[in-house]
Amino acid sequence: EPEVTQTPSHQVTQMGQEVILRCVPISNHLYFYWYRQILGQKVEFLVSFYNNEISEKSEIFDDQFSVERPDGSNFTLKIRSTKLEDSAMYFCASRVGGFQPQHFGDGTRLSIL
Amino acid sequence: AQKVTQAQTEISVVEKEDVTLDCVYETRDTTYYLFWYKQPPSGELVFLIRRNSFDEQNEISGRYSWNFQKSTSSFNFTITASQVVDSAVYFCALITGSSNTGKLIFGQGTTLQVKP
Repeated sequence: EPEVTQTPSHQVTQMGQEVILRCVPISNHLYFYWYRQILGQKVEFLVSFYNNEISEKSEIFDDQFSVERPDGSNFTLKIRSTKLEDSAMYFCASRVGGFQPQHFGDGTRLSIL
Repeated sequence: AQKVTQAQTEISVVEKEDVTLDCVYETRDTTYYLFWYKQPPSGELVFLIRRNSFDEQNEISGRYSWNFQKSTSSFNFTITASQVVDSAVYFCALITGSSNTGKLIFGQGTTLQVKP
């Protein structure tokens, strides 16, 4: 069964450094998402992406964040200058369309030191 | 405002007990979709079920069943004869029909511990 893949599974970065989280959505899916889960808390929406542009972003998704779909398969989340509070699990998700379920990757645990 | 509330933070049961996880949602939309996801200790999010606002039929899948009641804005999840492998965090989530993007609004999650 096709799945969403995320790399790396764990990223440790110094505060102030840039980090890029990578995702390969399911190939026939059209809608892509990033969510964040701070340890022990709920999953929060960051951004949605459709037709090569951001369709919605949350208040969390400030100017330090950006997303890109550089080719036909990858979907990346970049944090320009990481802060301690960016430490969290980041999930990528995709869905085919309509209101079909979103399928999630296994997540990238980002630790900012 | 759209919101999902899972009032039970943690539930602990002994294996083979039945357990119900509560979910209450808020939305003004008449069209919406409700979901349950499971997050085992390994951390991934696993889709369990989707239900749309026009279908109030309860659903059963093996030991899992879901009770959707629009009158009380609830979408509760019952595990019958729980097993240790059911130990996980369970999230209820909502997509509103007015959402152009289909973003999921999650509840706080309920941590279920099933003891042998």
